[in-house]
Amino acid sequence: NAGVMQNPRHLVRRRGQEARLRCSPMKGHSHVYWYRQLPEEGLKFMVYLQKENIIDESGMPKERFSAEFPKEGPSILRIQQVVRGDSAAYFCASSRGGANEQFFGPGTRLTVL
Amino acid sequence: AQTVTQSQPEMSVQEAETVTLSCTYDTSESDYYLFWYKQPPSRQMILVIRQEAYKQQNATENRFSVNFQKAAKSFSLKISDSQLGDAAMYFCAYRSWDRGGGGADGLTFGKGTHLIIQP
Repeated sequence: NAGVMQNPRHLVRRRGQEARLRCSPMKGHSHVYWYRQLPEEGLKFMVYLQKENIIDESGMPKERFSAEFPKEGPSILRIQQVVRGDSAAYFCASSRGGANEQFFGPGTRLTVL
Repeated sequence: AQTVTQSQPEMSVQEAETVTLSCTYDTSESDYYLFWYKQPPSRQMILVIRQEAYKQQNATENRFSVNFQKAAKSFSLKISDSQLGDAAMYFCAYRSWDRGGGGADGLTFGKGTHLIIQP
């Protein structure tokens, strides 16, 4: 029973490039959450998605960031024209929704040179 | 908006001793969930314990227990018989009650407490 999968685990990009982070939720989970963890900080909520719908994107930066969770395939967090300040660990969590627990993936560490 | 505050950036405890990590939060909601997560050097987030605000009884999980004071908006974690494997960052987190439609809000995290276990 595989847990939440994220890939890549490490991603290096140069300023101005695009970063695509992927998250495959646990089997049977249709709710996905993305969080960002800056160095020496706690995780900050970015966006909450259900299949094909963005439910809450109140934590997403207004520009350059987007997320999707298509009917088939993993959820994607996309960062366009990355800047050094985007360097962080990005975590995905999934749940069955409602009162159920969110299970976290191992994270993707993004480094922008 | 809700906020979570962990006032202890770092704590140290001798192996086999007991340590308490503090957490306070601010909310205007009456129903919510509180969590403690552990993040070891691997960076994997691991749920340690969970408390529903409507429950008066404090949650316990083996050596881990909480002291939930709803009126004071305090949610501390007690680790008994500390072990070397307990060394990690510990994050307190808040989540609103179900938003309806089967969904739930994202978690609001504190900045964490780095727990050091001394052999």
